[in-house]
Amino acid sequence: GESVGLHLPTLSVQEGDNSIINCAYSNSASDYFIWYKQESGKGPQFIIDIRSNMDKRQGQRVTVLLNKTVKHLSLQIAATQPGDSAVYFCAENPSWGGSNYKLTFGKGTLLTVNP
Amino acid sequence: EPEVTQTPSHQVTQMGQEVILRCVPISNHLYFYWYRQILGQKVEFLVSFYNNEISEKSEIFDDQFSVERPDGSNFTLKIRSTKLEDSAMYFCASTGRGPLGYGYTFGSGTRLTVV
Repeated sequence: GESVGLHLPTLSVQEGDNSIINCAYSNSASDYFIWYKQESGKGPQFIIDIRSNMDKRQGQRVTVLLNKTVKHLSLQIAATQPGDSAVYFCAENPSWGGSNYKLTFGKGTLLTVNP
Repeated sequence: EPEVTQTPSHQVTQMGQEVILRCVPISNHLYFYWYRQILGQKVEFLVSFYNNEISEKSEIFDDQFSVERPDGSNFTLKIRSTKLEDSAMYFCASTGRGPLGYGYTFGSGTRLTVV
């Protein structure tokens, strides 16, 4: 079936380095993507989102890149800090703007930032 | 910043008992959701709710599950006869209508433990 998945289950980086977390999706109808951060014992926290008519979007220290040709999504975190340590999920919705905004989540990548 | 509030944070129940998980979505949001996350796994969609009715439900959301919006602020998930495999984190989410950045917001979750 169609799904969203992640290439790397774990990523360890040094404080101050840039981090790149990847996500592959298989639903070519996916129209909307969100990256979430989840800290231990907490709910998913919205980081950044992107529509399929864009290929890049920037936030504060974060950038999301979308490559529709290969159905790949990435999250770049600049100058990674210890507080960025968490599990990161990508999520997709096939048709934002309808009556249902159900999200399908990937498996998650654990980011560990070493001081 | 507006929050989705969930209570209780942790619920322990005996197998076969009924549980009700409570959520207060963000006040001007229109769409409400329940998701669950079994320990170490990805977040899974259960049900979406709009205009006082279910708009979509997953295969997980069988006859043992029900949702209700009993008043203008609360949104509840009821499990009639809990099973061991219902043990998970349950997340409520809400969103307004519209495109990017409309704040698909998750609560901190209720950890349900069925013994």
